[in-house]
This record gives sequence, structure tokens and C-alpha cells, in this order.
Amino acid sequence: GAGVSQSPRYKVAKRGQDVALRCDPISGHVSLFWYQQALGQGPEFLTYFQNEAQLDKSGLPSDRFFAERPEGSVSTLKIQRTQQEDSAVYLCASSSLRTDQPQHFGDGTRLSIL
Amino acid sequence: AQTVTQSQPEMSVQEAETVTLSCTYDTSESNYYLFWYKQPPSRQMILVIRQEAYKQQNATENRFSVNFQKAAKSFSLKISDSQLGDTAMYFCAFSNSGAGSYQLTFGKGTKLSVIP
Repeated sequence: GAGVSQSPRYKVAKRGQDVALRCDPISGHVSLFWYQQALGQGPEFLTYFQNEAQLDKSGLPSDRFFAERPEGSVSTLKIQRTQQEDSAVYLCASSSLRTDQPQHFGDGTRLSIL
Repeated sequence: AQTVTQSQPEMSVQEAETVTLSCTYDTSESNYYLFWYKQPPSRQMILVIRQEAYKQQNATENRFSVNFQKAAKSFSLKISDSQLGDTAMYFCAFSNSGAGSYQLTFGKGTKLSVIP
């Protein structure tokens, strides 16, 4: 596609429910990143994929957070047993493997936990 | 670990005037990249300008330019001839240039308002 696509744009869930957020990167982009952006803050790194391999998950805040990219393209971020502190905008970014190429971001998913 | 500090939570500028947004960072790396991203209410992060640390020349993109002071670990953004469409959150960001995960580390942002 022309850009990074994320869905849904908005998600409301009750505390304790599981949610899944989808990211469709730019075609051909090897690298995929997930970030969490709390209200009024800058984005914070969650996890990184190179093709289907999850090479860095050091930013995942707890074992309730799980991400996958099984075919090296679309990625899903799953949050189990959601808590109110999970409310945030979740941003996905993709880029080529070259470190001198910038990351391209999607519009994000705003997650609200009631 | 790298840190990025933006000390101006909010700024305003008159249309057509010039404004400078400040950013400092801390790292032990010798080579890295610095970025300014713009985030309008639509939420999409838009790359404004990028600087490679090993390049001494300051990057410029049309009305946007940076003042990169490597020794001082300072990376400010100057917006000339400000336009109403420049109203947005601006984030300074850092990434390593080595192999592996080169995630971005962001500052907390500066909210810029351009006043007609």
C-alpha cells in the first residue's frame, strides 16, 4: 500500500478483555516497530520485527503484551486482560532494513480501557 | 540508554515569523541519527527533518533547518516563515545507526501554535 495502515482507528474495551491491534506496513519494508504513546507524552518503543523475527521486545511493559508477524508482513499487537493503564495510542512504523532510512508511521490506534 | 529532552512544553509564534524549538539528548554512541517529527491532531507522525551525527553540515528542508551541536548534544529546529499548517506537536527523536534494533527514542514533545 501507499502508507502504513493501522486498524481499528479507535478501540474501546472493558477492563479484563483481550484486544488485538493490526498493522499493515508499507509493501517491501523489512522492519516493523510498535510504539505506545500515552496522553501528552512522546511515543515509547515496544517491540521490533525484522521480517517475521521478533528481534527486540524489551519495551513490552508486561507479559500481557504479545506481538507477532508470522509472514513477515502484517503484524498484530495483542493485549490480554487489559488494564486502565493500557489506555494509549499504539503506533506502528515500518522501514527498509537500511538504518539510514526513516521510519514511516501509521495513524495509530487509540485504545480506551473502561 | 539514550535520553531525549525537550524543555519547552508549549510555544507559540505569529504567522510568517520564525520560531526555534529546543532539544538535547544524551548518548555514549559516536554515530547516530536525530530526527524531528511533526504530529498533527490526526496522530500520524510525519518526518520533518533528519540529521546524521557524522555530518557536520546542518540539515535543511525548505522552511525547516536544524542547529546541530554534537559536542553540546543539542539539536534545535528552526521553522522560518511559520504557517498555520505548522500547528502541531513536534517531537525530537534519536536512533542508533548500528545493526540491530534501531528504535526511536522520543522526547516529550513541544506543542507549537501558529497564531494568525
